[in-house]
Amino acid sequence: AQTVTQSQPEMSVQEAETVTLSCTYDTSESNYYLFWYKQPPSRQMILVIRQEAYKQQNATENRFSVNFQKAAKSFSLKISDSQLGDTAMYFCAFSKLTQGGSEKLVFGKGMKLTVNP
Amino acid sequence: NAGVMQNPRHLVRRRGQEARLRCSPMKGHSHVYWYRQLPEEGLKFMVYLQKENIIDESGMPKERFSAEFPKEGPSILRIQQVVRGDSAAYFCASSPRQLNTEAFFGQGTRLTVV
Repeated sequence: AQTVTQSQPEMSVQEAETVTLSCTYDTSESNYYLFWYKQPPSRQMILVIRQEAYKQQNATENRFSVNFQKAAKSFSLKISDSQLGDTAMYFCAFSKLTQGGSEKLVFGKGMKLTVNP
Repeated sequence: NAGVMQNPRHLVRRRGQEARLRCSPMKGHSHVYWYRQLPEEGLKFMVYLQKENIIDESGMPKERFSAEFPKEGPSILRIQQVVRGDSAAYFCASSPRQLNTEAFFGQGTRLTVV
């Protein structure tokens, strides 16, 4: 079974600074996807960024980038130039690739990020 | 193209009543996943459905819980004889095909059992 661990329950950062959120996972699969989701107070789950395990290049989306270390099973999220709107719960998630089967997401417990003005 | 629509947003039920949660996937999406989020927890997978078929229900409690996704209409998650422990936020996600890389989430239904 796959597990996802987010060891930091809470972090805070000043506006415009950079912050890194950590995530580790455990799996015996070789083909899978990793995700970071954001959940603001509205409760909507918003996809921030995703990474295919077979790609060595780290994914980036504007101010968001990941550091994917496949051998270490580590998948951290870096947020540059933090904005007040980045305040939210952040969830790391894993999904294995299947052919015709269920590709359910396995989530970590989440981390509460607060961006202070 | 409207997003994934879940209703109601909030649902209050007394112990022993039934709860029906609805999820209308995005247009063109035929795959639906249901997740449950307990307070201070991440989302936990419950069930994966395609039109008229349950593909994976490994995360759903064996008793009192059922799900369907008919040919026409929304997907329904049904909880019979609710108990306090069923209080949680229930989310559905839809995708055009099985790959989760294109899954979009609804805003969730918060169920409170009193």
